[in-house]
Amino acid sequence: SSELTQDPAVSVALGQTVRITCQGDRLRTNFASWYQQKPGQAPILVIYGKNIRPSGIPDRFSGSDSGNTASLTITWARAEDEADYYCNSRDSSGNHWVFGGGTRLTVL
Amino acid sequence: QVQLVQSGAEVKKPGASVKVSCKASGYTFTDYFMHWVRQAPGQGLEWMGWINPNSGGTSSAQKFQGRVTMTRDTSISTAYMELSRVRSDDTAVYYCARQSISDDSYGYSYYFDHWGQGTLVTVSS
Repeated sequence: SSELTQDPAVSVALGQTVRITCQGDRLRTNFASWYQQKPGQAPILVIYGKNIRPSGIPDRFSGSDSGNTASLTITWARAEDEADYYCNSRDSSGNHWVFGGGTRLTVL
Repeated sequence: QVQLVQSGAEVKKPGASVKVSCKASGYTFTDYFMHWVRQAPGQGLEWMGWINPNSGGTSSAQKFQGRVTMTRDTSISTAYMELSRVRSDDTAVYYCARQSISDDSYGYSYYFDHWGQGTLVTVSS
């Protein structure tokens, strides 16, 4: 399959750890990148490659991968982490890209 | 600093075409692929395609082939996305996003490191 599958919604208690996953065959050979989107805003990049955080992204955000699954982990969850999270990856030719369906994270 | 500034909101009738622009600044425009991504109201992100600003080469999602045209004007560092024969389900916010490449001991990674602010396109009769 060329798709990326994410759980539609996940919740986490304030200060706890949450893992958001993304599954797809193309992840066996291509890294995922992860984007955070808050209502009314453009997405921002939070993780790419083998667990690389862009400048300005807190180290509470981390990434990992195993087989056909990429994961975004948020430790010490804060209220400001409440957002939609999307994974993305390209195919091996670089011609076609796809986003996961997105995971809505609620911080309780 | 890198900036991607998109054109303003559009309202179109079904069957018309819409053209969205994305003006880049703060970097060499021809060094990075530009992608287009859209988001329908209350829905997720949907990848539409990319343009290589250096060569003008493009690739688009099968869903949009035949309806989307991506072009660029390197003299003004601007990328364009034109969608033809629009329908009500094309109502969405359209984003441009710069694609970067990183290379380390684990291999290459590809990602969107800068995004435009989005352009709302409304299709309504």
